Amino acid sequence: GENVEQHPSTLSVQEGDSAVIKCTYSDSASNYFPWYKQELGKRPQLIIDIRSNVGEKKDQRIAVTLNKTAKHFSLHITETQPEDSAVYFCAARGAAGNKLTFGGGTRVLVKP
Amino acid sequence: GAVVSQHPSRVICKSGTSVKIECRSLDFQATTMFWYRQFPKQSLMLMATSNEGSKATYEQGVEKDKFLINHASLTLSTLTVTSAHPEDSSFYICSVLSGQIYEQYFGPGTRLTVT
Repeated sequence: GENVEQHPSTLSVQEGDSAVIKCTYSDSASNYFPWYKQELGKRPQLIIDIRSNVGEKKDQRIAVTLNKTAKHFSLHITETQPEDSAVYFCAARGAAGNKLTFGGGTRVLVKP
Repeated sequence: GAVVSQHPSRVICKSGTSVKIECRSLDFQATTMFWYRQFPKQSLMLMATSNEGSKATYEQGVEKDKFLINHASLTLSTLTVTSAHPEDSSFYICSVLSGQIYEQYFGPGTRLTVT
């Protein structure tokens, strides 16, 4: 089955700096890659996603890039703010079925 | 995105008792719902896929007789943790598929504590 690795596990950045989280996946047939933000005790919230026929997608301060050849995708957060502090999860969905496989998560701390 | 509710948000039960958690899709009919479990500081682990009108599909290692799933309608799926033990204490979250590319939207979660 699919295996998703996420790095780093923790990330501390100064407010205003950029944050980058990277994920790799194992199933070359995976075609959908969402990113979720989870605050303590809350539900994961979909913040951006990308399909396998697109190389990059941007939404205001967040962007996601996908390299299908290398089987990795990344989340970029620019001009970080304290409210960006949370745990971020990447995920991948294979071609068969609609199940998501999640990465291990990245705890992001934005220091004011 | 889809609007998903869960009830209860928190529950404390004694070891050996059963607990039922409800997941509702409030703004559309969901033929498929997913149940996840999340331990502290860990990722989301898929427990089972709940299909309306048919049996749930459980992930490897998840005991189907212990975690009973019923998806009797297009807006409601329930997870019953039977004979709960302290090691079942966790954050249980459901999700639904919605949208043109079947995005997953999560419920607010249920924190189960077994004493």
